[in-house]
Amino acid sequence: QQQVKQSPQSLIVQKGGISIINCAYENTAFDYFPWYQQFPGKGPALLIAIRPDVSEKKEGRFTISFNKSAKQFSLHIMDSQPGDSATYFCAASRGNNNDMRFGAGTRLTVKP
Amino acid sequence: GAGVSQSPRYKVAKRGQDVALRCDPISGHVSLFWYQQALGQGPEFLTYFQNEAQLDKSGLPSDRFFAERPEGSVSTLKIQRTQQEDSAVYLCASSLDRDTEAFFGQGTRLTVV
Repeated sequence: QQQVKQSPQSLIVQKGGISIINCAYENTAFDYFPWYQQFPGKGPALLIAIRPDVSEKKEGRFTISFNKSAKQFSLHIMDSQPGDSATYFCAASRGNNNDMRFGAGTRLTVKP
Repeated sequence: GAGVSQSPRYKVAKRGQDVALRCDPISGHVSLFWYQQALGQGPEFLTYFQNEAQLDKSGLPSDRFFAERPEGSVSTLKIQRTQQEDSAVYLCASSLDRDTEAFFGQGTRLTVV
């Protein structure tokens, strides 16, 4: 049972465009919100994470926007590249890794 | 190796058979997690170890699932009397401690026929 709802299920973006993936959660006890990138046949790899004391975090082309009152957070990938094509998962937990709850995933395809 | 290693990579089991999945965490990592990932879904938490202590097993779906980490390093997830609904990728992750980044292995794909 997913406690974190993620959308869209799939996303197609042109090279150079912006990819946006959204997540919503219910449990206000969550205090750690990571995004993971997963390539076929590989395990998820941490991309970027945020805590609720900030509204935005940027690392290179990847930005997390966090809205605590709405219990929503999103991943923005700027200047999307074909190499970004992968499945992206948002997640939430209490205290970093503890009992992390994942969204259902978004399959991103970046067309050259 | 430098990363989390899981074996076997693929396992086909007949319904009713017992299986054992192995996880070798990154050396020195105290925390170890098991997740189940059904096809097209996100990982779902199964259980968590800190060293050899199993601190949280709230995600184990039934008493057919059992995990251990007797010496605080290698962990084994055992599934008894496998059912078709157990078919999934089983992911193991480890972290230096509870509050640092968790690194995932490539997973074991279990297919129950």
